[in-house]
Amino acid sequence: DTAVSQTPKYLVTQMGNDKSIKCEQNLGHDTMYWYKQDSKKFLKIMFSYNNKELIINETVPNRFSPKSPDKAHLNLHINSLELGDSAVYFCASSRGEGEAQYFGPGTRLTVT
Amino acid sequence: SQKIEQNSEALNIQEGKTATLTCNYTNYSPAYLQWYRQDPGRGPVFLLLIRENEKEKRKERLKVTFDTTLKQSLFHITASQPADSATYLCHTGFQKLVFGTGTRLLVSP
Repeated sequence: DTAVSQTPKYLVTQMGNDKSIKCEQNLGHDTMYWYKQDSKKFLKIMFSYNNKELIINETVPNRFSPKSPDKAHLNLHINSLELGDSAVYFCASSRGEGEAQYFGPGTRLTVT
Repeated sequence: SQKIEQNSEALNIQEGKTATLTCNYTNYSPAYLQWYRQDPGRGPVFLLLIRENEKEKRKERLKVTFDTTLKQSLFHITASQPADSATYLCHTGFQKLVFGTGTRLLVSP
């Protein structure tokens, strides 16, 4: 049973396109996150949601828009993709702030 | 601004020895520190959480310490095994959630 799942696992697309990454957790957690891990392996927080409400929004271009239809899902939509968006995007969830985070397998996005 | 620093150089040790990884933080006083393991091509996996009022936490062969005076957390793996080879990340949250850049551990047979 997968705790945190993401789709797709790989995403190759051209500059200027719009794409979405889906995330689902079956752990009953209240808090979900999106992280970006770049080629230097630095893991950077993008967004955090608690009970479908946005609580953290780091300095991320407004081309990135998270959407949480319910507590178990946090999707990431990216408009007008740029080369610099190429990275691995991880979804995670936790019971609350400061609690252990459970990560999904990641989505490797390549923008050509 | 908040900063977490981990040794960017890989740590090479022999099987059976104790591996010690360091996480230093500056410019803030976190309420907790967490340690994660990340294998290539996979998401980080939570290992241990230690809070500011705790000096030490253990789980099987793993031990974490939290020194608020030195602003440092140490992560120990005793009786290390080749299967422990991975990148280890420390993480904390204050005004923002921060992960260290990770230290790669290589355990040779």
